[in-house]
Amino acid sequence: DTGVSQNPRHKITKRGQNVTFRCDPISEHNRLYWYRQTLGQGPEFLTYFQNEAQLEKSRLLSDRFSAERPKGSFSTLEIQRTEQGDSAMYLCASSFGGDGYTFGSGTRLTVV
Amino acid sequence: SQQGEEDPQALSIQEGENATMNCSYKTSINNLQWYRQNSGRGLVHLILIRSNEREKHSGRLRVTLDTSKKSSSLLITASRAADTASYFCATVDRGSTLGRLYFGRGTQLTVWP
Repeated sequence: DTGVSQNPRHKITKRGQNVTFRCDPISEHNRLYWYRQTLGQGPEFLTYFQNEAQLEKSRLLSDRFSAERPKGSFSTLEIQRTEQGDSAMYLCASSFGGDGYTFGSGTRLTVV
Repeated sequence: SQQGEEDPQALSIQEGENATMNCSYKTSINNLQWYRQNSGRGLVHLILIRSNEREKHSGRLRVTLDTSKKSSSLLITASRAADTASYFCATVDRGSTLGRLYFGRGTQLTVWP
């Protein structure tokens, strides 16, 4: 395992549908982060896990969003009742101790 | 919310020239990091500089940090076409135990062969 893996790479969905993304971090990394990036902007923090505990959630994470990290391994990010404004790149990152994050390639969501 | 602001927003240079990008931020920080992002891809960590450091080098990269001015610069020497990408600075707040990153909007660097 040499990096952070995200699936799918691309997702096109109709408005109102639910979508789920998966992130597999570097195996020895205890910290996992989700960020969202819209066109022309820098990534914005969504949520953070230390092992299996979700320790912080951004106000950007409305009640339509939920994230899990069962057993402190992979993580999933689910968006329910998608809206066009949810279209973005969703990035996952992991680290050990908080320095030098490793980012995945992201999942690009398009809501039509 | 965004913390840093990169300047310029876009930079276009010829191969072999040096590229300098600047970043300003607003709060007291633990460290500042620079990342590169190729179009439509994830971010690649380039370098981390801590609040008690003033300068750091990694290969063709040189980063400076001035905490009194709340600013940092990234210098890429002898640029190559492969350096074409967006470059982001990101900060971690002082005292943060979670390591949350605050990103700027980035500088789009184009290096012409």
